[in-house]
Amino acid sequence: AQTVTQSQPEMSVQEAETVTLSCTYDTSENNYYLFWYKQPPSRQMILVIRQEAYKQQNATENRFSVNFQKAAKSFSLKISDSQLGDTAMYFCALCGGNTPLVFGKGTRLSVIA
Amino acid sequence: GAGVSQSPRYKVAKRGQDVALRCDPISGHVSLFWYQQALGQGPEFLTYFQNEAQLDKSGLPSDRFFAERPEGSVSTLKIQRTQQEDSAVYLCASSAQAYNSPLHFGNGTRLTVT
Repeated sequence: AQTVTQSQPEMSVQEAETVTLSCTYDTSENNYYLFWYKQPPSRQMILVIRQEAYKQQNATENRFSVNFQKAAKSFSLKISDSQLGDTAMYFCALCGGNTPLVFGKGTRLSVIA
Repeated sequence: GAGVSQSPRYKVAKRGQDVALRCDPISGHVSLFWYQQALGQGPEFLTYFQNEAQLDKSGLPSDRFFAERPEGSVSTLKIQRTQQEDSAVYLCASSAQAYNSPLHFGNGTRLTVT
């Protein structure tokens, strides 16, 4: 079975500061993909960033970057220069082999002006 | 439209009623997924279609839940004899390929069973 654990139910950050959201996972697959999704109050899940497990280089997408530690099965998300529009639920997700995407329970991020 | 469209956006049903939730995926997307998201939780997988074939329905919580995608495009999730525990947001997602492709989600349908 594949599992995703997000140990921070809620976090807050001052506008323009940097925040890191934690995620650990477990899978027996050698080839898998990791994702961070953002869910604002509109409920639509928006893909933030994607990491292929076979790539050692950490993925980056503008102000968003990940710290992928394969041996530790850790996949944290760093948001730099936080903006008010970053306020949302953030979900870490895992997809390995021929299995559907598995989500963590989420972290509620509040960006404070 | 450019994105995944779901309707209705909100649905209130009395316990015991049947409901049907619609998902219109991105045109040309082969894969379609349904997820259930309880309040304050992450989405939980329900079922997966590749074109019109339902390849995985392992997440459907009971035989009251039924999904179809007869022409490989629009999908309907039907819940018979709704119960209060069915109250949740139902998310639909589509992707161009199979499991490893990024999913594009709709805005979901919030179902409230009273």
